[in-house]
Amino acid sequence: DIVITQSPLSLPVTPGEPASMSCRSSQRLLHSNGHTYLDWYLQKPGKSPQLLIYWGSTRASGVPDRFSGSGSGTDFTLKISRVEAEDVGIYYCIQSLQTPWTFGQGTKVEIK
Amino acid sequence: QVQLVQSGAEVEKPGASVRVSCKASGYSFVTYVIHWLRQAPGESPEWMGRIIPVNGGNGHTIYSQKFQGRVTLTSDTSASTAHMELSSLTSEDTAVYYCARDPLDDSNALDYWGQGTLVTVSS
Repeated sequence: DIVITQSPLSLPVTPGEPASMSCRSSQRLLHSNGHTYLDWYLQKPGKSPQLLIYWGSTRASGVPDRFSGSGSGTDFTLKISRVEAEDVGIYYCIQSLQTPWTFGQGTKVEIK
Repeated sequence: QVQLVQSGAEVEKPGASVRVSCKASGYSFVTYVIHWLRQAPGESPEWMGRIIPVNGGNGHTIYSQKFQGRVTLTSDTSASTAHMELSSLTSEDTAVYYCARDPLDDSNALDYWGQGTLVTVSS
């Protein structure tokens, strides 16, 4: 199985400031169709996960443009340009290149 | 609007089976894949498998090898409902179980999720 490693595991943030988190895969996530199968989800407290980014950098419908994904191969980053209070929760990256799809441990974002 | 509404919480004894339902509305059921995932307390979500619903048929399934032989995914296109059955339950199966949909394209994006169903396995 592909192993996904996220860092940091905890990220205290200040509203209005930027934030960044990383995701590393044990294998390259580039498919022969040209897409990279690395997605980002946010799970707010007590809620189901919600899709933020797919194909490494494509924002899902309705996701604010303060969220951006980047990276290639095995190293990926999620950035929040200006954190808002509603952004608290656990951010998961997941590879969907091959089954079983696998998740990272999550980065818990909380307000300082 | 798109909704995936799951069945209610279950409490089961070790060795029993549990069946969780996921009723879809607001879109064409057969044009999306339904995935099943679970999340144990304090853990990351874990992918269990997926089914592509087929009119009049059993649907096309892929299972995680971890659950192969213990999990069965089915779909009822007339009711726009997917089901997940997990057998031979142990305490390690205590978790919130989710269904989620992804478009039958190459995105593999889980754009809508059910609200989750808590399954507790306890003697």
